[in-house]
Amino acid sequence: SQQGEEDPQALSIQEGENATMNCSYKTSINNLQWYRQNSGRGLVHLILIRSNEREKHSGRLRVTLDTSKKSSSLLITASRAADTASYFCATDEKNDMRFGAGTRLTVKP
Amino acid sequence: DARVTQTPRHKVTEMGQEVTMRCQPILGHNTVFWYRQTMMQGLELLAYFRNRAPLDDSGMPKDRFSAEMPDATLATLKIQPSEPRDSAVYFCASGLNPNQPQHFGDGTRLSIL
Repeated sequence: SQQGEEDPQALSIQEGENATMNCSYKTSINNLQWYRQNSGRGLVHLILIRSNEREKHSGRLRVTLDTSKKSSSLLITASRAADTASYFCATDEKNDMRFGAGTRLTVKP
Repeated sequence: DARVTQTPRHKVTEMGQEVTMRCQPILGHNTVFWYRQTMMQGLELLAYFRNRAPLDDSGMPKDRFSAEMPDATLATLKIQPSEPRDSAVYFCASGLNPNQPQHFGDGTRLSIL
């Protein structure tokens, strides 16, 4: 079963623009993770944010977490064509991670 | 760079045949996951192991699927008999524990005719 739900399902932007993806979940969590998947490849872990953290940065990535709203957002700044991929959030449930359906991001050069 | 290795990368076979997929987790990772990914269902957790013991296989159809870890360097997922609806990409992932970052292999793309 899926725990996180990403929004939007698909996003298309121009290179240089920022991309924001959202994730909502239902139950209490210890942490939330974001992953990226390029076509034909496995998922790659991007960032983990703990339930007691509100914001985390890694390079051009910024993740926020609002546990009162049970939601998280992933912001990619100054997007590049190479950022084209699917992005998934994952939340821990029953001591393992459950993934959402993902947001398909297309960055046009 | 340590990575999870899955074999085969692609498999095409006829329905009714047995399919075995293999995974070599990253050395030192004691948690191993099997996922199935389809367009319709997304990424589904089939089973996961901790210290080679199965902890959760509730997502796996047990009448035809089986998952094992004969040793710390090998995890297997078998389907017998296979059906067309099993066509999907099957991913293996490993990690230090169940709610920490997972490292994924590049998957086995399975087509059952």
